Amino acid sequence: DGGITQSPKYLFRKEGQNVTLSCEQNLNHDAMYWYRQDPGQGLRLIYYSQIVNDFQKGDIAEGYSVSREKKESFPLTVTSAQKNPTAFYLCASSPGQGRGLWGYGYTFGSGTRLTVV
Amino acid sequence: EDKVVQSPLSLVVHEGDTVTLNCSYEVTNFRSLLWYKQEKKAPTFLFMLTSSGIEKKSGRLSSILDKKELFSILNITATQTGDSAVYLCAVEAFGFSNYQLIWGAGTKLIIKP
Repeated sequence: DGGITQSPKYLFRKEGQNVTLSCEQNLNHDAMYWYRQDPGQGLRLIYYSQIVNDFQKGDIAEGYSVSREKKESFPLTVTSAQKNPTAFYLCASSPGQGRGLWGYGYTFGSGTRLTVV
Repeated sequence: EDKVVQSPLSLVVHEGDTVTLNCSYEVTNFRSLLWYKQEKKAPTFLFMLTSSGIEKKSGRLSSILDKKELFSILNITATQTGDSAVYLCAVEAFGFSNYQLIWGAGTKLIIKP
């Protein structure tokens, strides 16, 4: 079955450490996204990538970094510069913006809950 | 600044009741409005709306868009405990150089048995 796999489901980080969240999709989607979800705040876009080897900052990119070396993979690194990293992180993918209305194809992973201890 | 506002933020009703969730928006270059249900993890797609006045229906759920007044409603009739979830609204709009999804904060719906 096609889908998006995020790992790990739960992650604990000590202050000052970098951690990397994994996101892999086998949907052959061109575009991939990272969101952060805090209680009462909906989804906020961190980074997105429309094609391999290219990505753009979203609304809250500070303290985060990404790479898109393969179409299937879009890992997110939460760096020590991110002051308040405890949150639920969601990865998503879509067929690509050049392929008509892509809302139907917008697919989410199951998320990673990151806690700073 | 583009924004999507959902109301109420939370709602508690009894099983069997009918609920109406609201989503209003202010965006430039609107293309579509989407509703998602999030139970604990991944949001799952419910509806996509692009035209005013055309109701989309799936079982006990229905939704309609008003592009003149810039809002959408999501109705759930004969609610069940399995309907308890956060319902997210997102608007697809064209930004500086590409399309973006702008998300509301969600409505947390709790159905009491």
